[in-house]
Amino acid sequence: DAGVTQSPTHLIKTRGQQVTLRCSPKSGHDTVSWYQQALGQGPQFIFQYYEEEERQRGNFPDRFSGHQYPNYSSELNVNALLLGDSALYLCASSLAPGLAGDTQYFGPGTRLTVL
Amino acid sequence: KQEVTQIPAALSVPEGENLVLNCSFTDSAIYNLQWFRQDPGKGLTSLLLIQSSQREQTSGRLNASLDKSSGRSTLYIAASQPGDSATYLCAVQTGANNLFFGTGTRLTVIP
Repeated sequence: DAGVTQSPTHLIKTRGQQVTLRCSPKSGHDTVSWYQQALGQGPQFIFQYYEEEERQRGNFPDRFSGHQYPNYSSELNVNALLLGDSALYLCASSLAPGLAGDTQYFGPGTRLTVL
Repeated sequence: KQEVTQIPAALSVPEGENLVLNCSFTDSAIYNLQWFRQDPGKGLTSLLLIQSSQREQTSGRLNASLDKSSGRSTLYIAASQPGDSATYLCAVQTGANNLFFGTGTRLTVIP
């Protein structure tokens, strides 16, 4: 049973470029959440997708957008990259929102470096 | 706005010692609290999840407690081992169904 997978593992971009990160949820999960973890900090919630729609959003600008496909996999897109976007991006999957108490399972993350 | 604080930021102990990590949160309206482990540059591994109606959870050498009314949780690690060296993160799940994380406690267990 594959857990949460993310690609790529590492990515280097320059300021102003655009990037797409990908996530496949754990088998049986239909909800995907994205988090940004800056060095030395705890993860910060970006947004959550369920039934191919953005259901919740954290305090991130519109440069951060996402998508969820019918097979529940998800993408995180960041436009007009800034140096401050350098971070570890974590994807987490879970069962449908509203099932309080369900553990979120995290992927290994994508390390994004913006030069 | 929910804020989660973890103390201490870093901890170094000799192998075999018992230790306690602390977590506090400002809004007691939570669904649950989770403790995660993170190895350097890696993702998060869930260690224990405590529902808001529960007081504690145990898994092997780990025991986590929750006092929702006071906004506190502790993670107790018994008989620490060098393999326990990692960053430990506390997170609370709110009604909005996302997780609010602390900044973590970096634990080093010295052989």
